[in-house]
Amino acid sequence: GENVEQHPSTLSVQEGDSAVIKCTYSDSASNYFPWYKQELGKGPQLIIDIRSNVGEKKDQRIAVTLNKTAKHFSLHITETQPEDSAVYFCAASIGGTASKLTFGTGTRLQVTL
Amino acid sequence: GAVVSQHPSRVICKSGTSVKIECRSLDFQATTMFWYRQFPKQSLMLMATSNEGSKATYEQGVEKDKFLINHASLTLSTLTVTSAHPEDSSFYICSAMGGQGGTDTQYFGPGTRLTVL
Repeated sequence: GENVEQHPSTLSVQEGDSAVIKCTYSDSASNYFPWYKQELGKGPQLIIDIRSNVGEKKDQRIAVTLNKTAKHFSLHITETQPEDSAVYFCAASIGGTASKLTFGTGTRLQVTL
Repeated sequence: GAVVSQHPSRVICKSGTSVKIECRSLDFQATTMFWYRQFPKQSLMLMATSNEGSKATYEQGVEKDKFLINHASLTLSTLTVTSAHPEDSSFYICSAMGGQGGTDTQYFGPGTRLTVL
C-alpha cells in the first residue's frame, strides 16, 4: 500500500518568513495530493491540492510543487502570519471516486512574532 | 459547496453505553464518506469507508460490530460506537467526498471529541 512520509515534524519560523514542508510517497499510481491544515480541536481544512498532470499550483501565499519522478511534493507558505500556526498534513491517493487518502504524520508549524 | 458538519461536537458517556455521531454534507451530495479517529498529536487513522446504500468497508483491525456505520442518504452518515470503553476515547472525524473540489476531494467535519468514563 501507499506510504507517505512528511518532514519536518515541527517547524518554527518568524513572522514574514517562508515555511516549507516536504512529503514523499511510495506508490507511483498516486496522482492526487491534497494538503490540510488542522487547528487545535478542529477538523482538517483543505488548503490546496495538486494533481499529477501539473507540477506546481499557487493560491495567494500558498503553493505546492510536485515531482512525480522523485515521488515528492512540497508545501510552500510565504509571508507567514501567526494565524498560519497549525498542524499541516499532506496526503496522497490514486484519485477517483471512493479513493482513500494516505496521510503523512503531520508538521506542527509555529509562527513567532 | 464544501461544508461538512458533525454532531455532537463533544460527548461524555459512561463505559458500556453506545454513542451515535452524525456526519452531514450540508451543501453537496456525498456518495462516499469516511470515518477517521485521531489520537493526541497523531495523524488521522482511517476506520472505514461509508457508501450510500451499501455496507461500509472497514480497515484492518477495526471491529465492524463495535463501530456501526450507516449511510442512509447522500448527505448523512452515522457512526455508532457500541459498548464504549475508555480506550475508545478519541477524536472522531468524518469526511465527505465530492463538493466543489471534484469527485475525489475530501472535505472534513469539525470532529467529535468522545470521552468514555
